[in-house]
Amino acid sequence: IVLTQSPGTLSLSPGERVTLSCRASRGVSSDYLAWYQKKPGQAPRLLIYAASDRATGIPDRFSGSGSGTDFTLTISRLEPEDFAVYYCQQYGSSITFGQGTRLEIK
Amino acid sequence: QVQLVQSGSELKKPGASVKISCKASGYTLTTYTMNWVRQAPGQGLEWMGWIYPNTGNPTYAQGFTGRFVFSLDTSVNAAYLQITSLKAEDTAVYYCARGTAFQHWGQGTLVTVSS
Repeated sequence: IVLTQSPGTLSLSPGERVTLSCRASRGVSSDYLAWYQKKPGQAPRLLIYAASDRATGIPDRFSGSGSGTDFTLTISRLEPEDFAVYYCQQYGSSITFGQGTRLEIK
Repeated sequence: QVQLVQSGSELKKPGASVKISCKASGYTLTTYTMNWVRQAPGQGLEWMGWIYPNTGNPTYAQGFTGRFVFSLDTSVNAAYLQITSLKAEDTAVYYCARGTAFQHWGQGTLVTVSS
């Protein structure tokens, strides 16, 4: 399954709301889709699993939705520490990652 | 608590081999698959494959067959990634990660291949 994330880069300001998209080339089995945050020099951090379940310790400003082939990650109000690269991952049929969306400060 | 601790950075010449370790603590290695993920400089995350702890059976993603070997040593609760015949394009940070949705990751091991 190929995952395509859009947009490639987003320039936003703290306090804004953002929605990131992840589209699969075919349906993701059992909505086994996760989202990760990646910062330079750090391991990726799991934010969302099973399309909409927040991982342990993840603030509620992060939310995931979608099913089948279309998924979104929403950050309701950007904090300065949220500027990073975000990846989606499907784990319903083997494992693949999307190419990432870079969220940068405007 | 669950921790995955990887071995340190490596500098290797083309054609050499490298073996990276990922030592698990806080759980028994045999209860979860162990995955390997690569991030080359300026690139995204690539899933390399996984190994089933109870059988030791590896699965390699496309592009990671032949020179890449996953292994386990359950006596020390550790997983290993060996890369042979290293090339410059193998320069990357390599991560181990547990399970399917990766709640737990190693800190990453930088492998630099340069003459």
